[in-house]
Amino acid sequence: DGGITQSPKYLFRKEGQNVTLSCEQNLNHDAMYWYRQDPGQGLRLIYYSQIVNDFQKGDIAEGYSVSREKKESFPLTVTSAQKNPTAFYLCASRGLAGGEGEQFFGPGTRLTVL
Amino acid sequence: DQQVKQNSPSLSVQEGRISILNCDYTNSMFDYFLWYKKYPAEGPTFLISISSIKDKNEDGRFTVFLNKSAKHLSLHIVPSQPGDSAVYFCAASDWGTGGFKTIFGAGTRLFVKA
Repeated sequence: DGGITQSPKYLFRKEGQNVTLSCEQNLNHDAMYWYRQDPGQGLRLIYYSQIVNDFQKGDIAEGYSVSREKKESFPLTVTSAQKNPTAFYLCASRGLAGGEGEQFFGPGTRLTVL
Repeated sequence: DQQVKQNSPSLSVQEGRISILNCDYTNSMFDYFLWYKKYPAEGPTFLISISSIKDKNEDGRFTVFLNKSAKHLSLHIVPSQPGDSAVYFCAASDWGTGGFKTIFGAGTRLFVKA
């Protein structure tokens, strides 16, 4: 089955630690995105990548880093510099050809900083 | 500076009646408008979209209307079913300098009562 997987589903981290969230897709999509959702708020864009080995900062990139070494994978690292990392993190992908921009989302990772 | 606004945090509708979810935007350069549906602890799923050159798009029980002069779009669900109870996100997309980006509203929680 084609889709996007995110792991782990729940993640706990101590303050001051870096943590990496996994995102893998087998949809052969070129573009991948990371969003953060906080209670009562919409999805805010952290980073996005249109092609391999290229990525752009979104609206709230501070304290985060990404890499895009393979088309299928777009891991997100939450660093200790992120002031309020506790949130629900969503990864998405989109094919560049056709469509009206719809994205396919993974199931999300809930990160809690203890 | 919210470019996409959903001013109603929640909406309650009786089963079988029409649900109308509203969305306003500020950027006239958006190319596409999309609606996503989200259940708790899951990623959003794409529901329906509309190009900026159209004013209506219909898919089964779901219809999206776009009023460009008012910078307003709405999602109509007829008839509403209990399974439609979820959070609905309005989104808008365009090709910016960094590539294709999507801006999400804060969401409207729909309750469909049996």
